[in-house]
Amino acid sequence: QSVLTQPPSVSGAPGSEVSISCLGSSSNIGANMDVHWYRQVPGSAPTLLISTNNIRPSGVPDRFSVSRSGVSASLDITGLQADDEASYYCQTHDVSLTTWVFGGGTKVTVL
Amino acid sequence: QVQLVETGGGVFQPGTSLKLSCSASGFSVYQYAMHWVRQGPGGVLEWLAVLSYDGKTIYMPDSKRGRISVSRDDSRNTVFLQLNGLTFEDTAVYYCARALYTFGAFYYYALGVWGQGTTVTVSS
Repeated sequence: QSVLTQPPSVSGAPGSEVSISCLGSSSNIGANMDVHWYRQVPGSAPTLLISTNNIRPSGVPDRFSVSRSGVSASLDITGLQADDEASYYCQTHDVSLTTWVFGGGTKVTVL
Repeated sequence: QVQLVETGGGVFQPGTSLKLSCSASGFSVYQYAMHWVRQGPGGVLEWLAVLSYDGKTIYMPDSKRGRISVSRDDSRNTVFLQLNGLTFEDTAVYYCARALYTFGAFYYYALGVWGQGTTVTVSS
């Protein structure tokens, strides 16, 4: 069981918007630790997608954005495209456990 | 070009040990915190350990203490993961990853660069 809870899957039509939630606790997201999101396609390693305050690596479009409230964080994808199909993982640091923690991952399907 | 290459995976018998290597190029491992993460057959990412940039501190989950050791050879620009007492549950793809930024408060930093992973299968 992951410390961070994500929905197993979300789906949307091309051009639509989807949101992926990441539920943590007072010792990680609620402790104001930065939350990072990674994208992974089958057969490849995860890659950093976006972090707190919408910091994106070069090449990541602004269709991807993040937000947070209390012990939760969210990744929003607007203008959904076929190549957005992938698994997305949230990650942060837990100050009580002194560990880095991941969500269970969310598979995005473009209908 | 910044790159990480993991090696050392393979098929291992239960109860044995493994030592994985993570060779870095395009940057110096002594400037970054270096992580190990694995992904089992179910697809969940599990963080295993981090070695601080100064090489003085290793963090890992309590559940892994006694089984994991992490080390670094700056002359080879390589980080190592040793895992003892292998069980079937250790079957996974093992990734090393570099903190996004050098030095500093690496607790906050994303895992900015990942290797391609090396596959470990524990089987009798």
